[in-house]
Amino acid sequence: DAGVIQSPRHEVTEMGQEVTLRCKPISGHDYLFWYRQTMMRGLELLIYFNNNVPIDDSGMPEDRFSAKMPNASFSTLKIQPSEPRDSAVYFCASGTGGLKQPQHFGDGTRLSIL
Amino acid sequence: RKEVEQDPGPFNVPEGATVAFNCTYSNSASQSFFWYRQDCRKEPKLLMSVYSSGNEDGRFTAQLNRASQYISLLIRDSKLSDSATYLCVVNGDSSYKLIFGSGTRLLVRP
Repeated sequence: DAGVIQSPRHEVTEMGQEVTLRCKPISGHDYLFWYRQTMMRGLELLIYFNNNVPIDDSGMPEDRFSAKMPNASFSTLKIQPSEPRDSAVYFCASGTGGLKQPQHFGDGTRLSIL
Repeated sequence: RKEVEQDPGPFNVPEGATVAFNCTYSNSASQSFFWYRQDCRKEPKLLMSVYSSGNEDGRFTAQLNRASQYISLLIRDSKLSDSATYLCVVNGDSSYKLIFGSGTRLLVRP
């Protein structure tokens, strides 16, 4: 079975540019999560969706960040304009929900903002 | 206080050793508990869920103490391939919102 698929794997761009990260969850999973991981702050939940609807975006750092899930098989996380402090690894994860169900992570996007 | 706290380590142990990690959590209402493993520059992967009665998966044993709000992971007969960072994970306000600890790094030496 295909796992969670993220693209791109690596992104290097200059400050001020728009960055779009993409995620395809595991088929049949109704929950999708976006995380950011840095050495300083560890793994942080940014936003999660249930049945394509954003449920909790309290982790989104500021208005420069936005996320969408237009259908069950695709989600984007956009940063506009990007700043050097946004440099991190961004993970997408999906799950089936339920109290005891774990989340399955994609390989991540390693983002560097110069 | 962090919602999930772990000793960052590193724990440096020889092959064959037994090593234990502890983790404390602050939300007494949490009901879902997991250990994830993360290799260097890779994604977190589920190692095992943690059940109230404790559970074992091969060389790995997880325990939950609700009264003291801590979770433990015991690794017996450690292998070189066990070298990784182990993340303690607890659900937050929402059942579907997982809070990750900062991880405990394990180094198993020959």
